[in-house]
Amino acid sequence: DSGVTQTPKHLITATGQRVTLRCSPRSGDLSVYWYQQSLDQGLQFLIQYYNGEERAKGNILERFSAQQFPDLHSELNLSSLELGDSALYFCASSNSLSVQYFGPGTRLLVL
Amino acid sequence: QQQVKQSPQSLIVQKGGIPIINCAYENTAFDYFPWYQQFPGKGPALLIAIRPDVSEKKEGRFTISFNKSAKQFSLHIMDSQPGDSATYFCAATLDDKIIFGKGTRLHILP
Repeated sequence: DSGVTQTPKHLITATGQRVTLRCSPRSGDLSVYWYQQSLDQGLQFLIQYYNGEERAKGNILERFSAQQFPDLHSELNLSSLELGDSALYFCASSNSLSVQYFGPGTRLLVL
Repeated sequence: QQQVKQSPQSLIVQKGGIPIINCAYENTAFDYFPWYQQFPGKGPALLIAIRPDVSEKKEGRFTISFNKSAKQFSLHIMDSQPGDSATYFCAATLDDKIIFGKGTRLHILP
């Protein structure tokens, strides 16, 4: 158990809908990262927050947004969902400059 | 320059064999090179890591070999077991940024 929690574990929704994925980082970790992993694909970095502020952006679509709250939990909002958004979404947290600890992921299925 | 190139994409090895996964990088400023192991349906987990001032690191059956001049590093799994079947990601970090390779799907035959 990495200490990073993600909810929900599974999410099934329809095209055009909006969903919110939640992540609670390990106690004391200030950085939160979001990744997308499609079938047979690597880890696509989406966005990083550090202590409530956006730190880095990767290949995140304009339909996607994220935020980190004062209690350091983070939410990833996915809107106008398309079939191709079906994937595993991982959150990771870090308190060091080198190591990330990943949560168990949220499996999103868009029908 | 920020890429980490990983090969092979997939690998099948007989039980007891030594699978080797290779990675190459360009940016000499990277200062930490972790490997992550991911089982199906799970999040990646840190397996082993090395700093560029060390040429080799062993943890149990897992060994990282690091060649700074060639800007390459590799993961060796000794006496591989079916339970090692997973996807392996190499990575390189700079400050709090981490760049992942595309992953290697490893299957160990019983």
